[in-house]
Amino acid sequence: DTGVSQDPRHKITKRGQNVTFRCDPISEHNRLYWYRQTLGQGPEFLTYFQNEAQLEKSRLLSDRFSAERPKGSFSTLEIQRTEQGDSAMYLCASSLPGKPAGYTFGSGTRLTVV
Amino acid sequence: GIQVEQSPPDLILQEGANSTLRCNFSDSVNNLQWFHQNPWGQLINLFYIPSGTKQNGRLSATTVATERYSLLYISSSQTTDSGVYFCAVNTGTASKLTFGTGTRLQVTL
Repeated sequence: DTGVSQDPRHKITKRGQNVTFRCDPISEHNRLYWYRQTLGQGPEFLTYFQNEAQLEKSRLLSDRFSAERPKGSFSTLEIQRTEQGDSAMYLCASSLPGKPAGYTFGSGTRLTVV
Repeated sequence: GIQVEQSPPDLILQEGANSTLRCNFSDSVNNLQWFHQNPWGQLINLFYIPSGTKQNGRLSATTVATERYSLLYISSSQTTDSGVYFCAVNTGTASKLTFGTGTRLQVTL
């Protein structure tokens, strides 16, 4: 297994455009998380899935954000009508329930909104 | 929500020096982890340590849950230890983590 993969690594978009990021978790991990990290801050929780069910969403996840995990494997995070304040690193992580020691992050997607 | 504070915020060490990083949290936790974020942004899981002491090579960690703090010790520091160290806690039944403010470490030759 190659760990948690995220694509793309970098994305530059114009304000108002829609963007979509993909995350492929470790294959046997059924929990998948999205976090956002802005410059100089720690990661902040956005949402998480257990299998295909989205079980929790942060209030940070405005209605312009949507996340899916249709078959319980990879996940996508879409941001509609991007704003400059959306510029951040978007991190994906995966784990198994009851095994928090195995919490593994991907390398992230850095979004710049110009 | 739970507050997680780390100290010091910044630390500069010469190679070979030892250091202690601290994480204070404001409520009882189910889980505490330490992560290292390297200069390329990758978060590496160092320790899962809700209580007690663990060691892994030059790194060790101790969590005193009753007093709501955790310490990360780095001995004989190397330039590759540079980056940001985060502690992160979980308070509920889910595994979402609340991250601390981080300690930025720079190890110089």
